[in-house]
Order: sequence, then C-alpha cells, then structure tokens
Amino acid sequence: SQKIEQNSEALNIQEGKTATLTCNYTNYSPAYLQWYRQDPGRGPVFLLLIRENEKEKRKERLKVTFDTTLKQSLFHITASQPADSATYLCALDMDSNYQLIWGAGTKLIIKP
Amino acid sequence: KAGVTQTPRYLIKTRGQQVTLSCSPISGHRSVSWYQQTPGQGLQFLFEYFSETQRNKGNFPGRFSGRQFSNSRSEMNVSTLELGDSALYLCASSFRLAGADTQYFGPGTRLTVL
Repeated sequence: SQKIEQNSEALNIQEGKTATLTCNYTNYSPAYLQWYRQDPGRGPVFLLLIRENEKEKRKERLKVTFDTTLKQSLFHITASQPADSATYLCALDMDSNYQLIWGAGTKLIIKP
Repeated sequence: KAGVTQTPRYLIKTRGQQVTLSCSPISGHRSVSWYQQTPGQGLQFLFEYFSETQRNKGNFPGRFSGRQFSNSRSEMNVSTLELGDSALYLCASSFRLAGADTQYFGPGTRLTVL
C-alpha cells in the first residue's frame, strides 16, 4: 500500500542544536517533495521544495535532502531556537493528479 | 498581496445540520484545494478546483461537496453533519498550471459538531 510516514512522537531538542526530521514514503514516485510548518490553530506555511533530481536544498538555517533510492527526505534546522517549535509536515507532489500527499507531521519542541 | 481568507473562522453546529464554508484565494491563483485536519491526522484531501472545474476528489462521502466561482472563490458544503465531521477545514490556493504546486493556506475554519 502507499503511505508516507513522519516521526509520530514529538522531537525534543536543546536550543542551539540541529533538529533532524524524517519523512519516509513507500510506493510513490514524487516529482517534488515539500516541507511546511504549522503552528497550533493555523494553516501550514510553505518552507522548502526539493525536486526528484536534487540531492539537497538550503535556505538560511534550513536544509532538506531527498534520496529517491531510500525514498526518504530529511529536514534539518541548524542552530535551533525556541521559535522553531511547531509541527513540520512533508508533502509529496506527484505533479500529475493535482493533489499533494501529506504526512501526519512531526511536532518539534526546542527547549531553551 | 492579501493572503487566503476563510470564513467563518469558528462554527458550532448540531448533528444533522448542514454547513457552508467559504474560501477566497490569493489574487491570481486559480487552484483551490480543501483539506480536513483532525488531531494526530495529516491533512486529508477533500477536493481541488481549477477554473470552476473539480479536477480531483479525495475519499470522502458524498455529503462533502464543493464548488468554485468564476472569481476563483470557493465554497465547500457538508450536509447531514456527523460528530466525526468536527475538524479544522483548511483551504489552500496555488497557481497550479504545471510543475510544483506550492500551496498557500488560509487560517482554517474550526467546525465543531455537537
């Protein structure tokens, strides 16, 4: 069956350390993979997009990797801050059926 | 540019009633997608509209319906509400012509069914 998995447990990280979140999928061949941030009671906000032929993408303190062989994306936040605390969602974009496939999200808690 | 707006923000209904939620996309965006989000669940796709046409539909019962107007504004309707319909309903807009579909979300409508 097709599925997309993210760490279901909350991730607790000490301020200043690097947070690494995982997104694994099976039986999909996405053209793109996207990461979003969601704060409580709000809609998700787009952070980064990576294409299937890209290995890595960076934006300020954020870095995303995409391994189509392992069917996995890693999302890193370096020099983490308490303001980075939120739920992070990954989404697969098949570029074919006008629908993103979403993971359930990982709650990240950065402790001061 | 104004963001995606959704109305109302909060709604309380009773079982059996029906509800209509509204979404105004970012100016110039012609694609509107609707999602249901419940605690611990990922975003569950309801449907997507582009230029007044439904291009894709998720796995929800026929009680959930939607439409899009010529100005790209969209509405979704849920008839005969059930307790399990209590959720945050999100709409997202995008260009979605070709290539990656980066979505811009509204703040959501929190629906509570009693």
